[in-house]
Amino acid sequence: DAGVIQSPRHEVTEMGQEVTLRCKPISGHNSLFWYRQTMMRGLELLIYFNNNVPIDDSGMPEDRFSAKMPNASFSTLKIQPSEPRDSAVYFCASSLSSGIRELFFGEGSRLTVL
Amino acid sequence: GENVEQHPSTLSVQEGDSAVIKCTYSDSASNYFPWYKQELGKRPQLIIDIRSNVGEKKDQRIAVTLNKTAKHFSLHITETQPEDSAVYFCAASPSAGKSTFGDGTTLTVKP
Repeated sequence: DAGVIQSPRHEVTEMGQEVTLRCKPISGHNSLFWYRQTMMRGLELLIYFNNNVPIDDSGMPEDRFSAKMPNASFSTLKIQPSEPRDSAVYFCASSLSSGIRELFFGEGSRLTVL
Repeated sequence: GENVEQHPSTLSVQEGDSAVIKCTYSDSASNYFPWYKQELGKRPQLIIDIRSNVGEKKDQRIAVTLNKTAKHFSLHITETQPEDSAVYFCAASPSAGKSTFGDGTTLTVKP
């Protein structure tokens, strides 16, 4: 298995632009998580899905952030409009929702908003 | 919700010494406690985990202990090596729920 696949790996954009981050979870995993990592705030959970349904989005900073999971093999995290304080590494992770619950992280998407 | 506190934030040891990282959690419903290692510029990866029905688990030089009554768990690394240098995160998770992470411990092993 190729693991969790994220794209793009790096994104540099200007304030006000729309950013879309993409994630393909491991086949057979039914939970998907979006985390944001910064030096100041560590690893923050933004939202997680179970069987494609959003379960908890309490970590989403504000209305500028939205996430979707249209099917079991694809999820997006969108920021519109982007701001410099959104600069961070965004990790997608997937797992089984029961039994072995190890999180498998993607390589991350490093976002820089100028 | 769950709150996980991790100490220390930085830890420097001499090669061959032991390293201990401690975490406390608040939600008694948490029953799964993983530890992740993140090397510089890389993704976090699981190194060991423990479930609430077990008090201790060991895997070669790494061990984790859990005290459910006191709501704390610890990571022990023995005979540290330079390649153990990384950021270590603890986490706590209820059944079929999200993992809440500690703030991380930057471990430096000096040759």
